[in-house]
Amino acid sequence: AQSVTQLDSQVPVFEEAPVELRCNYSSSVSVYLFWYVQYPNQGLQLLLKYLSGSTLVESINGFEAEFNKSQTSFHLRKPSVHISDTAEYFCAVSAMSGSARQLTFGSGTQLTVLP
Amino acid sequence: DVKVTQSSRYLVKRTGEKVFLECVQDMDHENMFWYRQDPGLGLRLIYFSYDVKMKEKGDIPEGYSVSREKKERFSLILESASTNQTSMYLCASGGSNQPQHFGDGTRLSIL
Repeated sequence: AQSVTQLDSQVPVFEEAPVELRCNYSSSVSVYLFWYVQYPNQGLQLLLKYLSGSTLVESINGFEAEFNKSQTSFHLRKPSVHISDTAEYFCAVSAMSGSARQLTFGSGTQLTVLP
Repeated sequence: DVKVTQSSRYLVKRTGEKVFLECVQDMDHENMFWYRQDPGLGLRLIYFSYDVKMKEKGDIPEGYSVSREKKERFSLILESASTNQTSMYLCASGGSNQPQHFGDGTRLSIL
């Protein structure tokens, strides 16, 4: 079985400041890793993913995450945030379980960008 | 672009009612999933299906059942709704080794 820990439930940050949202996971098998973002009253949107290859993955809107196998982490970072980045962010791991690849989610981090 | 459509954004039902939540995807994905989302708990998997007429229990299946008669449609059924099933319900679909894509969710209130 796998589990995901998002260490911060709330992260307030001023506009144009850098931010890091932390995610640690545990699994006995190899995993895929994801960050999803949820804006108010919407479903989850895929932000970025690590399946294999380069351990640094980037999204189209300036976020990046680095897979660190030794520390079992997949922290999300952005060097300069905008008001529009205010949302809830979920880290997830995917591993084969039963007959399909299932996702296990962290409890989420609410990022609030202040003017 | 992948589209996952949930039939209702908001739903209000009474305790003891049988409730159906419908989900349709347009990408011919093998796998479909139902989650519930509660504050501070993230998303928890209720049931998933890896093929037509096939289903497997997730982490919290009690009080729920599912139906998948066609590949594109996955229904979640609350056999006898209770107040502790008030929640946001999210449907997702995905191919093998591919990310899951989510619908906009159904906010269900049981009175």
